Amino acid sequence: DAGITQSPRHKVTETGTPVTLRCHQTENHRYMYWYRQDPGHGLRLIHYSYGVKDTDKGEVSDGYSVSRSKTEDFLLTLESATSSQTSVYFCAIRGDRPNQPQHFGDGTRLSIL
Amino acid sequence: SQQGEEDPQALSIQEGENATMNCSYKTSINNLQWYRQNSGRGLVHLILIRSNEREKHSGRLRVTLDTSKKSSSLLITASRAADTASYFCATDAGQTGANNLFFGTGTRLTVIP
Repeated sequence: DAGITQSPRHKVTETGTPVTLRCHQTENHRYMYWYRQDPGHGLRLIHYSYGVKDTDKGEVSDGYSVSRSKTEDFLLTLESATSSQTSVYFCAIRGDRPNQPQHFGDGTRLSIL
Repeated sequence: SQQGEEDPQALSIQEGENATMNCSYKTSINNLQWYRQNSGRGLVHLILIRSNEREKHSGRLRVTLDTSKKSSSLLITASRAADTASYFCATDAGQTGANNLFFGTGTRLTVIP
């Protein structure tokens, strides 16, 4: 398995609180991605990174921010969580060469009450 | 949206039978990828087919790609109970340097022992 660790694996929090999810990789891959998975929507890209301090928005970025200060860590922050952000969040990584697949972590189940 | 769509949404078969899942997408692509997801786990890459390829095999998996129809199919032969999972197609349209993927909503496959 690709070395990807997501933490925490489960979190329950209240509306309006800040939440940070962490993705840690040991593969030294350049590209990292954050997705959310909801019933009926498949996986949707929130933000992605193409290097240290280089990030960009995905399809559903509103209400989320990211940071990547080291190659191995990609953080996803919900500044003020809302119930609509209740979801399962997945991190993925990909190497530099073209036509490479992404490798996924096991996800963080986030519930916002 | 560039999101692909899988068909059928759910499929139930007997062990030993073949399972076919279809994927349609909307834009031109660099490649199309199939992933598998077991309940409560992250996605696992199965096979990648490039836009200039028409068919690809990996073990019991066979993937076809028809770029003129913007469609792909995944065939699992001689299915096993352990193949029970959700299967997703994802397209790489090459619109960003990070080769972001757009996922379909998945096919839920149940293989009955």
